[in-house]
Amino acid sequence: KNEVEQSPQNLTAQEGEFITINCSYSVGISALHWLQQHPGGGIVSLFMLSSGKKKHGRLIATINIQEKHSSLHITASHPRDSAVYICAVKAGNTPLVFGKGTRLSVIA
Amino acid sequence: DTAVSQTPKYLVTQMGNDKSIKCEQNLGHDTMYWYKQDSKKFLKIMFSYNNKELIINETVPNRFSPKSPDKAHLNLHINSLELGDSAVYFCASSPGTSGGQETQYFGPGTRLLVL
Repeated sequence: KNEVEQSPQNLTAQEGEFITINCSYSVGISALHWLQQHPGGGIVSLFMLSSGKKKHGRLIATINIQEKHSSLHITASHPRDSAVYICAVKAGNTPLVFGKGTRLSVIA
Repeated sequence: DTAVSQTPKYLVTQMGNDKSIKCEQNLGHDTMYWYKQDSKKFLKIMFSYNNKELIINETVPNRFSPKSPDKAHLNLHINSLELGDSAVYFCASSPGTSGGQETQYFGPGTRLLVL
């Protein structure tokens, strides 16, 4: 059974700071997702990756398959980045398994 | 304009009632999902349908019955509602059949409260 652990659980940052959120999983996977859940509840898919690195605006996602670890980075953080960030992994024929999320608050 | 829509947004009901939540996607996707997010904000898949056929059913009580009249719709009917069913239910869709190997598009969620 795949376990997905995210750290930290909660994170408070000052506007402009560089932020890193981590995700570790226990078994080999075929894909890893990063999702953003806004304070209002809506969920948006940020990235899906199976190797290397992806970048979209101020967001960067990396994955290390050997170490079973992924990071989500936010550069020049802004209060509008405040949200819950959720990692989810796909392994074999099993459905997506989700982490418990990291709650990020960016203070102006 | 909305890619994945759900109705209703909020649902408050008494224990023992039967209720339905509807989901529609206008993205032309082949696969649709239902997820449950509990009070601790933990997301878990309930069902997945591909072209109107059930492909994932994750240990969900029989009181929950998904129905897919066509590939753009996946409705969730819940019989004999219990207090523990209170949660936010998210519908999602993805283009093909690879499930978790594709980007999924989520609906806005339906907040269900069972009293």
